[in-house]
Amino acid sequence: IAGITQAPTSQILAAGRRMTLRCTQDMRHNAMYWYRQDLGLGLRLIHYSNTAGTTGKGEVPDGYSVSRANTDDFPLTLASAVPSQTSVYFCASSRGRGVNSPLHFGNGTRLTVT
Amino acid sequence: AQTVTQSQPEMSVQEAETVTLSCTYDTSESDYYLFWYKQPPSRQMILVIRQEAYKQQNATENRFSVNFQKAAKSFSLKISDSQLGDAAMYFCAYRPTQGGSEKLVFGKGTKLTVNP
Repeated sequence: IAGITQAPTSQILAAGRRMTLRCTQDMRHNAMYWYRQDLGLGLRLIHYSNTAGTTGKGEVPDGYSVSRANTDDFPLTLASAVPSQTSVYFCASSRGRGVNSPLHFGNGTRLTVT
Repeated sequence: AQTVTQSQPEMSVQEAETVTLSCTYDTSESDYYLFWYKQPPSRQMILVIRQEAYKQQNATENRFSVNFQKAAKSFSLKISDSQLGDAAMYFCAYRPTQGGSEKLVFGKGTKLTVNP
């Protein structure tokens, strides 16, 4: 089934550790995104990529980095995790910009930083 | 910067009744797209309905319809004949047609409870 796969589903991480959240899509979508979801704050954009080889900063990029070496993969790295990065992380993709290119979401990664 | 406001953190409705979730947004653009997403307890994000700003006609998808008031920058979602499966978080989202990315800006969400 075509879609977005995120791994892991959940993770408990000690503060200061490095962590990479994985995201893979098989829809050949150009654009990919990382959002974090926090209670009462909705979804906030961390980083995005319009196409392979390019990335951009979203609303809350500090403490996170991304890469887009190919069309399918868009990993999110926390170089040194802090408790405020406890959240649910969603990867998403879209074919383009139009209304007929809505975002498709993965099932999320619940990350707890202790 | 564009912002999306959902003024109702929580709403409830009786099964089979109608409920309207409100959404307003702030933008200086004349053309853009608007979306409603549903997030049930499974955590999955599901597209409910979409609207193009240049279209006057309100979008409908089965029991879901929108009231798009462009001048007022309002994009409310109406759910008719509410069902227990409609219980979820609902997020309103805005996407510009121009600019550097295809990213969506989300509101903070409205939690909908459906009472049997």
